[in-house]
Amino acid sequence: SQQGEEDPQALSIQEGENATMNCSYKTSINNLQWYRQNSGRGLVHLILIRSNEREKHSGRLRVTLDTSKKSSSLLITASRAADTASYFCATDAEAGGSYIPTFGRGTSLIVHP
Amino acid sequence: ETGVTQTPRHLVMGMTNKKSLKCEQHLGHNAMYWYKQSAKKPLELMFVYNFKEQTENNSVPSRFSPECPNSSHLFLHLHTLQPEDSALYLCASSQEMGQGWNEQFFGPGTRLTVL
Repeated sequence: SQQGEEDPQALSIQEGENATMNCSYKTSINNLQWYRQNSGRGLVHLILIRSNEREKHSGRLRVTLDTSKKSSSLLITASRAADTASYFCATDAEAGGSYIPTFGRGTSLIVHP
Repeated sequence: ETGVTQTPRHLVMGMTNKKSLKCEQHLGHNAMYWYKQSAKKPLELMFVYNFKEQTENNSVPSRFSPECPNSSHLFLHLHTLQPEDSALYLCASSQEMGQGWNEQFFGPGTRLTVL
């Protein structure tokens, strides 16, 4: 199975509410990244958190990383309708000495105005 | 705009056709990637080029043939595809692959339909 798995698969909230998405992974990592994808478009990088960091903020985004549990969470505060998108976590899984980016299936977020 | 462009944006082809997807990055990066995104499946890494050298071929069928003539351009040549190859094909670039992996910049993708 893939390295990163997001939970939940789908999330539907009202504008103004907070949205929390979780990601679990299996092997040790150097860093974990979160990406956003609007329907049928390319992915856009949101935030990178390194294995020696526990929390990182960027605007309304807050990412945490717990390497002991091999998990990360992405919190979007005060959500807006424009936040509607799919969100993916990605890790760098080591394979034969090189680091391969590995994505999960994503969480589909719908924010109702 | 992310600095990564892909052409064409949409492509419909028969199983006997030969076509090519093109990706160009204007970011000065040295690593480029091809991904396949199918409905309800994780993003699948297909190929990685680092400094124009192919470093990963993730068990991709030979009907997909990548080409990286320089650090700014990446092609995916397609021939005798199957209907199950229909998907969104995404190109990405990043600083060179080294210890760990850097932020990737994605193109808008090519929506491929194989009839």
